[in-house]
Amino acid sequence: NAGVTQTPKFQVLKTGQSMTLQCAQDMNHEYMSWYRQDPGMGLRLIHYSVGAGITDQGEVPNGYNVSRSTTEDFPLRLLSAAPSQTSVYFCASRREGNTEAFFGQGTRLTVV
Amino acid sequence: AQSVAQPEDQVNVAEGNPLTVKCTYSVSGNPYLFWYVQYPNRGLQFLLKYITGDNLVKGSYGFEAEFNKSQTSFHLKKPSALVSDSALYFCAVRDWGGGYQKVTFGTGTKLQVIP
Repeated sequence: NAGVTQTPKFQVLKTGQSMTLQCAQDMNHEYMSWYRQDPGMGLRLIHYSVGAGITDQGEVPNGYNVSRSTTEDFPLRLLSAAPSQTSVYFCASRREGNTEAFFGQGTRLTVV
Repeated sequence: AQSVAQPEDQVNVAEGNPLTVKCTYSVSGNPYLFWYVQYPNRGLQFLLKYITGDNLVKGSYGFEAEFNKSQTSFHLKKPSALVSDSALYFCAVRDWGGGYQKVTFGTGTKLQVIP
């Protein structure tokens, strides 16, 4: 199994540009989430989804958009990139219930 | 609101010595507790979890954690550290309850095992 796959691994954007971070999982997990990891702040939840067609906001949703049209895919869209969005982004998925999350390898995004 | 504290940014331990990485939590109800490990340039990997039952939980790679309800702690331990254990460790907590429960992560503790 591939698990959780994120693309791209690295990206540099100019302020104001938009882009989509891709996330796909092949484990048929109901729940998917996007986190950002910043030094000294741990992981913060951006958006999450409990199933196809259902999404909700996390702690830091501003400037990001998500959709979930299929169980497998959960893309994260940056609408107008800002330097404050420079971070490492992780996608995670898990089954419903008392379960642990599986993480992708991350996307390192730099906004200049 | 739930929260997790990892009071040490870094823990240094000699190879072969026991290690402890500390975690305390705060939740309104009963907690689900997790430990994850992150190696450089990689995503987080699950180590172990406490849901209910025995307070001592055993996980991957020889790690274990002790749940202490009175001290609201969930410290990660290993009897004998390996150089390959050097990594970033995250504690996480989720409240009991129905529906989707958000997970709160600590800020991480860097473990350095010295040969």
